[in-house]
Amino acid sequence: EIVMTQSPVTLSVSPGERATLSCRASQSVSNNLAWYQQKPGQAPRLLIYGASTRATGIPARFSGSGSGTEFTLTISSLLSEDFAVYYCQQYNIWPPWTFGQGTKVEIK
Amino acid sequence: QVQLQESGPGLVKPSQTLSLTCTVSGGSISSGGFYWNWIRQPAGKGLEWIGRFYTSGSTNYNPSLKSRVTISGDTSKNQFSLQLNSVTAADTAVYYCARVHYYGSGSSGDTFDIWGQGTMVTVSS
Repeated sequence: EIVMTQSPVTLSVSPGERATLSCRASQSVSNNLAWYQQKPGQAPRLLIYGASTRATGIPARFSGSGSGTEFTLTISSLLSEDFAVYYCQQYNIWPPWTFGQGTKVEIK
Repeated sequence: QVQLQESGPGLVKPSQTLSLTCTVSGGSISSGGFYWNWIRQPAGKGLEWIGRFYTSGSTNYNPSLKSRVTISGDTSKNQFSLQLNSVTAADTAVYYCARVHYYGSGSSGDTFDIWGQGTMVTVSS
């Protein structure tokens, strides 16, 4: 099973600032990496797939990069609605599909 | 617009079977290019993929749960279901059903593009 490790666990950022989240895979997942956003009491929402392709309706301030074992999600200028937990997911080697443990982006 | 809705008991006794149903509206589970999945999330924790159902009737499961899980579909009702046997407190979680659009226009690979709102299941006597 591929283990996905996200860092940091918590990221404190001021509105308008840039947020950079990391995700590392225990072995190469090529570019088969997705990012999700989850707000309290809600289901996750797909943000990025293919490591860098924004899902339908996702604003351009969200961007993804990386390949192999190292990936980054960048939120260029945080809005209040962006404070949430973010998960990465690999879909290169299964079963099972695996998720990271999440990074909480909180207001500084 | 495709929507998913989970339903089922919110409380299950230890050693019994957890049964949930996901009703799909705005689309058909019989359509090709989609997998229909179950994912769970214990309180305050991360996401765990449980397994998936395909319209052909084929299924795939997380090896860690495979011995206890069955996922099936009912095309006449446009629903798919989860059964988890011999539950313990460790199975307490929010259970989500989710769609994978893996092939065709607008596909996003093996990622979960549409989710139900989730249903909380507690395992307790």
